[in-house]
Amino acid sequence: NAGVTQTPKFQVLKTGQSMTLQCAQDMNHEYMSWYRQDPGMGLRLIHYSVGAGITDQGEVPNGYNVSRSTTEDFPLRLLSAAPSQTSVYFCASSWTGGDYGYTFGSGTRLTVV
Amino acid sequence: DAKTTQPPSMDCAEGRAANLPCNHSTISGNEYVYWYRQIHSQGPQYIIHGLKNNETNEMASLIITEDRKSSTLILPHATLRDTAVYYCIVRVEWSGKLIFGQGTTLQVKP
Repeated sequence: NAGVTQTPKFQVLKTGQSMTLQCAQDMNHEYMSWYRQDPGMGLRLIHYSVGAGITDQGEVPNGYNVSRSTTEDFPLRLLSAAPSQTSVYFCASSWTGGDYGYTFGSGTRLTVV
Repeated sequence: DAKTTQPPSMDCAEGRAANLPCNHSTISGNEYVYWYRQIHSQGPQYIIHGLKNNETNEMASLIITEDRKSSTLILPHATLRDTAVYYCIVRVEWSGKLIFGQGTTLQVKP
């Protein structure tokens, strides 16, 4: 069991570039989420999914797209990177229902210059 | 989702119990109380959760008041490695949303 795997671990982008942050889990979890964490701040929910083909917006969805074509993968796309998107991005997954905790990945550190 | 209120910071002596309070006065009947912690810049780590009853696992105990308006996370014998930001979160059952607040920074001192 690898758990939640995020790639890449570090990335530097130029303003206006696009990229996809990858997230994969091998626990057959239905729920998956993306968070961002700015320096000295708490985590903010970007997008989440309750199953393949189903996604919804979180607190800060602007500038990001997601899709969930398989149970295992939940990629996060930055359409046109801006310096304000410099952050640490965490992916998480969980079983359905309220009786399970989320498992988090180790994060992707993104810098937009 | 119900909001939670936590003190911004707390200190605890190494080897003593750390009691971290959380207020969730608007919690609904189908909402669980979750606790996570984040050490440095690592991904948050799940600690424990509960609905109505008190819960205990190998990491901590969770005490939920009878009216469910508040809870306390107890680390029975805090170590320096328990220094972290602790988040109390209320989550609706069957909802994929998990909203983090600002959390409590726990500093365990020798």
